[in-house]
Amino acid sequence: DTAVSQTPKYLVTQMGNDKSIKCEQNLGHDTMYWYKQDSKKFLKIMFSYNNKELIINETVPNRFSPKSPDKAHLNLHINSLELGDSAVYFCASSPGRSLVNTEAFFGQGTRLTVV
Amino acid sequence: AQSVTQLDSHVSVSEGTPVLLRCNYSSSYSPSLFWYVQHPNKGLQLLLKYTSAATLVKGINGFEAEFKKSETSFHLTKPSAHMSDAAEYFCVVSARSGSARQLTFGSGTQLTVLP
Repeated sequence: DTAVSQTPKYLVTQMGNDKSIKCEQNLGHDTMYWYKQDSKKFLKIMFSYNNKELIINETVPNRFSPKSPDKAHLNLHINSLELGDSAVYFCASSPGRSLVNTEAFFGQGTRLTVV
Repeated sequence: AQSVTQLDSHVSVSEGTPVLLRCNYSSSYSPSLFWYVQHPNKGLQLLLKYTSAATLVKGINGFEAEFKKSETSFHLTKPSAHMSDAAEYFCVVSARSGSARQLTFGSGTQLTVLP
């Protein structure tokens, strides 16, 4: 009965590879997010989708491409992986798009290590 | 622009003594404020949220926070620390980004609880 689930939990890959991280939420929320947590534990938003529509797209290399096949799923595809992409990636969801009077629910995170 | 400043990167307390984690925010709008906790190698869990109702907010595990508009602060407190409280704590403000709001995270405070 996990609310926001991400797979895989750990991902080790070589530079130059292409990889995907999947995220699913069973909360019935309309909005989903991807956050990146760097080695200093700083969390920064990357993307946000509301009902499959991209609503937030921060300054992220275009090697990162989110895909939302339906409002319960938001996958993150990364092309040509670089060492600097190593981080923990968190998926989250929230009801509506306003984040007023409501919080975001986070997945367990995917630790990506590029070697 | 909205921002969050967590004044201490590390806080160390003895078990059974009070906890104070400090947070100041900047927001052009009436903010929604949150505290999240991240235990080692775990996801982010909501501790409590302020959404313009009562200024003293009670959360899980005995934590509470007081919203002080005049001081633009939202400090997190707990009367008596437990070993299980050792974790990373994030103060978060809900901020507008275009047509949507997004969560802006503070840099985190690592809480150590000494036996």
